[in-house]
Amino acid sequence: KQEVTQIPAALSVPEGENLVLNCSFTDSAIYNLQWFRQDPGKGLTSLLLIQSSQREQTSGRLNASLDKSSGRSTLYIAASQPGDSATYLCAGKHYGQNFVFGPGTRLSVLP
Amino acid sequence: NAGVMQNPRHLVRRRGQEARLRCSPMKGHSHVYWYRQLPEEGLKFMVYLQKENIIDESGMPKERFSAEFPKEGPSILRIQQVVRGDSAAYFCASSPLGQGATTGITEAFFGQGTRLTVV
Repeated sequence: KQEVTQIPAALSVPEGENLVLNCSFTDSAIYNLQWFRQDPGKGLTSLLLIQSSQREQTSGRLNASLDKSSGRSTLYIAASQPGDSATYLCAGKHYGQNFVFGPGTRLSVLP
Repeated sequence: NAGVMQNPRHLVRRRGQEARLRCSPMKGHSHVYWYRQLPEEGLKFMVYLQKENIIDESGMPKERFSAEFPKEGPSILRIQQVVRGDSAAYFCASSPLGQGATTGITEAFFGQGTRLTVV
């Protein structure tokens, strides 16, 4: 059974810092991994999707990597801004199965 | 192309009543997933549906909960005889390809959720 964990659970940084959010999964036979952002009381916004054949994806200040052999994915946020404050969720998907979510990292970027 | 639409956004029910949550997938998407998020907890899978078929309901409670995705109209998550423990945010996601796809993108897009409060 796939289990997904995220470290740290919460993170508070000053504006402008580069930061890394970590996601670990127990079963490396992952089909794809998706990173989401969730604002308080809101739905999930898809940030990046990494297919199993890919090692990383980039969108603006965001870069996500996937290392299946070690069971890890990282989300790198460059030059953080207060508007980046949210909960970041990673979700792994196996062939023929649903998305399994991690508990999330709650990010606060202080002005 | 509108995103995944869920309604109502907020729903209040008394214990014992029925709750009906609706989800309209993105245009061109025929696969729908329902997730539940309890306060201060992560997202838990409930059910995966394709038009007129339940593909995987392994996350659904055995009693009081049901889901459908008819040929026409939105997907419906139905909770009968609600209890306080059902209070949560219920999210729907859609994708253009299903869980069994071996090619193509299976990116999921989520709705804004329905926040159910049972009083």
